Parts: sequence; C-alpha cells; structure tokens
Amino acid sequence: EVQLVESGGGLVQPGGSLRLSCEASRFTFSNYAMTWVRQAPGQGLEWVSTISNTGGSTYYADSVKGRFTISRDSSKNTLYLQMNSLRAEDTAVYYCARFWGYGDYWGQGTLVTVSS
Amino acid sequence: EIVMTQSPATLSVSPGERATLSCRASESVSSNLGWYQQKPGQAPRLLIYGASTRATGIPARFSGSGSGTEFTLTISSLQSEDFAVYHCQQYNNWPRTFGQGTKVEIK
Repeated sequence: EVQLVESGGGLVQPGGSLRLSCEASRFTFSNYAMTWVRQAPGQGLEWVSTISNTGGSTYYADSVKGRFTISRDSSKNTLYLQMNSLRAEDTAVYYCARFWGYGDYWGQGTLVTVSS
Repeated sequence: EIVMTQSPATLSVSPGERATLSCRASESVSSNLGWYQQKPGQAPRLLIYGASTRATGIPARFSGSGSGTEFTLTISSLQSEDFAVYHCQQYNNWPRTFGQGTKVEIK
C-alpha cells in the first residue's frame, strides 16, 4: 500500500520559516505529481501547491505564491514545502498527497501553528 | 478561480437511508470532479473521480453523477462508517478548488 509520511510541522512565530517533508514509499515516486493541501482548524480543504513528476512544473495558490516553494528529490523519494514569511492564517494541518488532478493517496498530515 | 459550492452544509440521515449531496461549480468543469470522505482526525479519502468513477476499494453504495456545473454524490444506504464530512473538488482548471464540505450526521 502507498505510504506518505509528513514531518516538519510545529510552532513558529509570524514572519518565520519552516520546511515540511513528505517521505513516499511503495510506489514509483518519480512517475507521479505531488501536491500539498492544507486544512485550517475547523475549516475545509485548501489546495496549496502541486509539482509535476519531473519537478519541471510547479503551481501555487495565490495565498502562498512568493512565500512557499514546493520541490522534490526523487533520489530520496521525498517531497518538500519550504514556507517563508509565515502568517497566522497559514496555521493548518498540511497534507501531502499523490495528486495531479485529484488525490488518490494522502498522508496523515503535519500541524503548523503560526503564533507569537 | 472556480468556486465550488456544496449543499447542504449539514445533512441529517438515519442509518439505512439514502443521502444525496450536491456540488455546484461557478463555471463548467466538464467531468473533472472528485469527491472525498473525511472523518475527524483523519486525512481525506478519495471516493469518486471523473465525476462518476469509484476509486479503488470504494463500496458500490457510493455513486457520483453530473457534468458541467452540477454534481451529485449519492450514498444509497448509509452505514455507520459513512457518517463523515464529504468534499468535492474540481480539477478542470488551476487553481484546484474544493467545496466547503457537507457533514453527514446521524439523525
């Protein structure tokens, strides 16, 4: 069964930075696009960013464009999300998913809390 | 961006009854529509893609229909494990967008 395990969440002050990781296993990572989706407490799902299977194409929500960077390392089967200039409204559980159009496999999420 | 609107926000249904959830797109998304189930403290689980194709391992009591701007998820006979929040999501355009969710609760 496909496995996706996120890490790197935590408490960070406004204006700070954090890097999330998502380790993938049990599928050929380099064949699939990957995505980050977040969910603020008690809220719905928000698409954040997608990277193509090769890493050659990336897409971002307007709410994070210029502050977040998605990347991948196929030698490590790992997806990343570098988050800079964090704001209180970035507080959410961040999920990685095997996802181009839709997400067929999801990790369990990592909580990011932006607060002073 | 395409706005996805789900109705109702909450649906109260008795076990064994039929549940019908709606999702409307602000412009046509063709059949590029997915449905997810999410239980408290868990990640979303893909139920339906392509508006009507069940994902691997999804029971036949879940069915999806619609195209263009109007979509429906039907659960033919609710089981105890089906009480959850359901999200629709379009993938016709960037950015990908989700509806706000419909909570299916026990009546």
